[in-house]
Amino acid sequence: NAGVTQTPKFQVLKTGQSMTLQCAQDMNHNSMYWYRQDPGMGLRLIYYSASEGTTDKGEVPNGYNVSRLNKREFSLRLESAAPSQTSVYFCASIVDRAGEKLFFGSGTQLSVL
Amino acid sequence: KQEVTQIPAALSVPEGENLVLNCSFTDSAIYNLQWFRQDPGKGLTSLLLIQSSQREQTSGRLNASLDKSSGRSTLYIAASQPGDSATYLCAVTGSARQLTFGSGTQLTVLP
Repeated sequence: NAGVTQTPKFQVLKTGQSMTLQCAQDMNHNSMYWYRQDPGMGLRLIYYSASEGTTDKGEVPNGYNVSRLNKREFSLRLESAAPSQTSVYFCASIVDRAGEKLFFGSGTQLSVL
Repeated sequence: KQEVTQIPAALSVPEGENLVLNCSFTDSAIYNLQWFRQDPGKGLTSLLLIQSSQREQTSGRLNASLDKSSGRSTLYIAASQPGDSATYLCAVTGSARQLTFGSGTQLTVLP
């Protein structure tokens, strides 16, 4: 039981390049999330998916797109990376109810030069 | 808009001391509150979850309380150990079922 798996763990991009962050969970969770974590700002929600086939914007969606490929996988894409997107990105999942604990992946450290 | 504040941002204590971490939130209409632990370079691990109808939850040396009406929660750590050194974050789940996180308290327990 691996929980929430994110790839890659580290990535360096040049401004304007694109990339996709991958996330998969093996807990049969319905809801999945993408957060970014910046020093002194806590975690901010980028996008979330309440169930397979649905996605919604969070607090900071600009510059990102997501795909809920199936129940297990939720990817985050940067189409044209900017230095402001330098951050640590976390994927998380939850069964489907507000009363459950949230499970996190180990994060992707992204630097955009 | 919900805001979650954690004070202090950093705390250093000697081993064996009991300590309290604080979390406050501005909107009392919450489903629950979670306390997380984050080790350097790692993801977050949920420690305790308190439902809005509950007053406290306990797990081992950890005890979390919730006073929804005043918008406050505390995480009590008994007999602290160097292995407790980490950043502790609280988060509240609001009406849209989204979590709002505090910025965390970085705890250092000195041997």
